[in-house]
Amino acid sequence: DVKVTQSSRYLVKRTGEKVFLECVQDMDHENMFWYRQDPGLGLRLIYFSYDVKMKEKGDIPEGYSVSREKKERFSLILESASTNQTSMYLCASRATGGSGNTIYFGEGSWLTVV
Amino acid sequence: QKEVEQDPGPLSVPEGAIVSLNCTYSNSAFQYFMWYRQYSRKGPELLMYTYSSGNKEDGRFTAQVDKSSKYISLFIRDSQPSDSATYLCAQGTGANNLFFGTGTRLTVIP
Repeated sequence: DVKVTQSSRYLVKRTGEKVFLECVQDMDHENMFWYRQDPGLGLRLIYFSYDVKMKEKGDIPEGYSVSREKKERFSLILESASTNQTSMYLCASRATGGSGNTIYFGEGSWLTVV
Repeated sequence: QKEVEQDPGPLSVPEGAIVSLNCTYSNSAFQYFMWYRQYSRKGPELLMYTYSSGNKEDGRFTAQVDKSSKYISLFIRDSQPSDSATYLCAQGTGANNLFFGTGTRLTVIP
């Protein structure tokens, strides 16, 4: 089974803090994604990466950056956390080709910014 | 217009009922269709995957795709309390991203 692991499940941070959300997948997938999920808005793509050191902006990249130094690891960075970034953050991975259009999600990281 | 429209519910049904969940989409380039189930405070998990029009069955679950109407459905037979969750439809073109509905919250009452 594909496993996507988000190391932090619940975080509380102060406004202005730098926040790191870490994600690791164990299936050698090329593609990795960061989404945020908010009630009524569904899943919104923040950034994705299709290879090591490669990244593409999603629908809502403002206020976020990402890092992919190794294939299995994809980090989301909030440079200066704000209260409107309080949300559930979901990391996901996907293989390329065949039925690899399927995206597999981690358990989610609940971030509260106070 | 959103790429994918999904009725958010909530939907409450008695145990044993047949549940019908639906999504409509606007992009005729979508080739892949998926349903995800998400329990409270958990990540979405893949439930059903289909590539073409028609029906796909897996146990109590049936996914139906009608490309001509741009309409997808998920049917749950003999619904159980453990089916209580939010169900997300998703569509993809073969490129990197998927387009998700906002999810329908389902409660199955014992």
